[in-house]
Amino acid sequence: ELKVEQNPLFLSMQEGKNYTIYCNYSTTSDRLYWYRQDPGKSLESLFVLLSNGAVKQEGRLMASLDTKARLSTLHITAAVHDLSATYFCDGETSGSRLTFGEGTQLTVNP
Amino acid sequence: DADVTQTPRNRITKTGKRIMLECSQTKGHDRMYWYRQDPGLGLRLIYYSFDVKDINKGEISDGYSVSRQAQAKFSLSLESAIPNQTALYFCATEAGDTQYFGPGTRLTVL
Repeated sequence: ELKVEQNPLFLSMQEGKNYTIYCNYSTTSDRLYWYRQDPGKSLESLFVLLSNGAVKQEGRLMASLDTKARLSTLHITAAVHDLSATYFCDGETSGSRLTFGEGTQLTVNP
Repeated sequence: DADVTQTPRNRITKTGKRIMLECSQTKGHDRMYWYRQDPGLGLRLIYYSFDVKDINKGEISDGYSVSRQAQAKFSLSLESAIPNQTALYFCATEAGDTQYFGPGTRLTVL
């Protein structure tokens, strides 16, 4: 069974700072997904990482995947208030989605 | 118009009642999913369907059933609702590497 753990679960940071959210998963995963959820809203897909060493970037967010370490990271560069949200990672194995991480609640303070 | 719609958006019901949550999509995607989200937690997969004739249980299918009436419609039923099924329910479709989430249905079981 694929289990996904994120850390930290809560992150408060200042605008302009850099930080990384970690997503560890328990078994071989075919791909790794990152999502964003704003309070009271639905989820928005951010990235899908398909292979070892995959790196994707969108604006101030960059996601990477290390399948050997069973680790994905979401790096935030020069954070701005608009990035405040909850970020989830999710794994897929054998063609089916299984479980989401608990989420990292990010607050970016002015 | 939204690509993935859910009805109702909010529902309050009583223990023991049968309730159906509906999901419709205009994206023409074969894959559809039902998730529940509890406060402060990530999403947990209830059921998923890769096409009209392919329906699979997720990690928390007990107490739920689904029906894939057509490619565009995927309904979730609670045969006899209980209070611990109070949650936010999301439907999603998938194509390629991206999931598209509906706005959610907030269900309260008294």
